[in-house]
Amino acid sequence: ETGVTQSPTHLIKTRGQQVTLRCSSQSGHNTVSWYQQALGQGPQFIFQYYREEENGRGNFPPRFSGLQFPNYSSELNVNALELDDSALYLCASSRPSGAGETQYFGPGTRLLVL
Amino acid sequence: GQQLNQSPQSMFIQEGEDVSMNCTSSSIFNTWLWYKQDPGEGPVLLIALYKAGELTSNGRLTAQFGITRKDSFLNISASIPSDVGIYFCAGVNSGGSNYKLTFGKGTLLTVNP
Repeated sequence: ETGVTQSPTHLIKTRGQQVTLRCSSQSGHNTVSWYQQALGQGPQFIFQYYREEENGRGNFPPRFSGLQFPNYSSELNVNALELDDSALYLCASSRPSGAGETQYFGPGTRLLVL
Repeated sequence: GQQLNQSPQSMFIQEGEDVSMNCTSSSIFNTWLWYKQDPGEGPVLLIALYKAGELTSNGRLTAQFGITRKDSFLNISASIPSDVGIYFCAGVNSGGSNYKLTFGKGTLLTVNP
């Protein structure tokens, strides 16, 4: 148990729809990162939020957007869903600590786009 | 973009054997991380490496950060059945508001009791 929770656990959507995924960070952590993990692949970094501001972004189109709230929980929004968006979406929380940080991952939300 | 080449893709070993896996990159990273992921769960951090040449151990696990900052290896000694899972390397670059973490494709480890 990492203290990071995600909801929902599973989700089925159709192409063109929009989806919102949620993440509650571990107590005391002010940074949340989101990842997309396709079957058989490593997680791909989507973006990171630090104190409610985007703090870095991977190679994902603008239809992937996020929010971080004052309590440091976070949402990932994906618009105009495509079939290739089917994946496990992971969030990880951390507390920046100078030279590096330990990211604690939640169990993920499995999204299927039909 | 940055890519990590992780090898081998999979390993099937006998309990008690030692295991070695590695990652290479064409890019320099500030930090190297090694994670293990079990089915249905998120990755769990095993070892973090912050300095070029750094050698770090965590129980039966040992990892090293390459001198060039472009590679790393992970060794597991005396493997046990619960070592089964997917092992990922990951490289971090961060500076200001430009954090980025890149994962390898993983090494699937199977341990035969």
